[in-house]
Amino acid sequence: GAVVSQHPSRVICKSGTSVKIECRSLDFQATTMFWYRQFPKQSLMLMATSNEGSKATYEQGVEKDKFLINHASLTLSTLTVTSAHPEDSSFYICSARDKERGSYNEQFFGPGTRLTVL
Amino acid sequence: RKEVEQDPGPFNVPEGATVAFNCTYSNSASQSFFWYRQDCRKEPKLLMSVYSSGNEDGRFTAQLNRASQYISLLIRDSKLSDSATYLCVSAGGGADGLTFGKGTHLIIQP
Repeated sequence: GAVVSQHPSRVICKSGTSVKIECRSLDFQATTMFWYRQFPKQSLMLMATSNEGSKATYEQGVEKDKFLINHASLTLSTLTVTSAHPEDSSFYICSARDKERGSYNEQFFGPGTRLTVL
Repeated sequence: RKEVEQDPGPFNVPEGATVAFNCTYSNSASQSFFWYRQDCRKEPKLLMSVYSSGNEDGRFTAQLNRASQYISLLIRDSKLSDSATYLCVSAGGGADGLTFGKGTHLIIQP
């Protein structure tokens, strides 16, 4: 139980294009999903918190117009990297909180999406 | 900035040995703490939660010292499969997401 999937697992795109990453909770409802980013040899950094049916809350320094987040249902959140540039190349990981089980702060992670912008 | 600090290592340890990691956190209002394990180019996976009373799960023992804002992880009888990066994580205290340390890289040698 508590499985989170992400799609795609890997994407290579040209500079200037937009990339959409999907995060799904497969066997539970997630009122809150989180998007993290991890650069090589760095820790995971929270980008934004996504609540179903409302606007995402972005961390300081993360551009909301560049990283568009939509959480339209209790099982799906999407992150769109608009006009991607090489410096956006990173490992993007989503996580979800299952409101029905586990401690409030426990999160279940997706397998991540490795984005490479040429 | 609310941070979690860890020694990045790497820790090179012979198989069967006991190894200890620790980390410190700066947000005194943090409510929950975890150790996650991350293998190369994979997502982090929850290893165990950390409680003030200390908790044990097989070969793994975690301890929290709120007064010192210090968290530890002890691995006994280390296995080759324990080789990974261990992430110290805090939650709560005004932050909705998890705050990750940079991780401690462990290499178990045969």
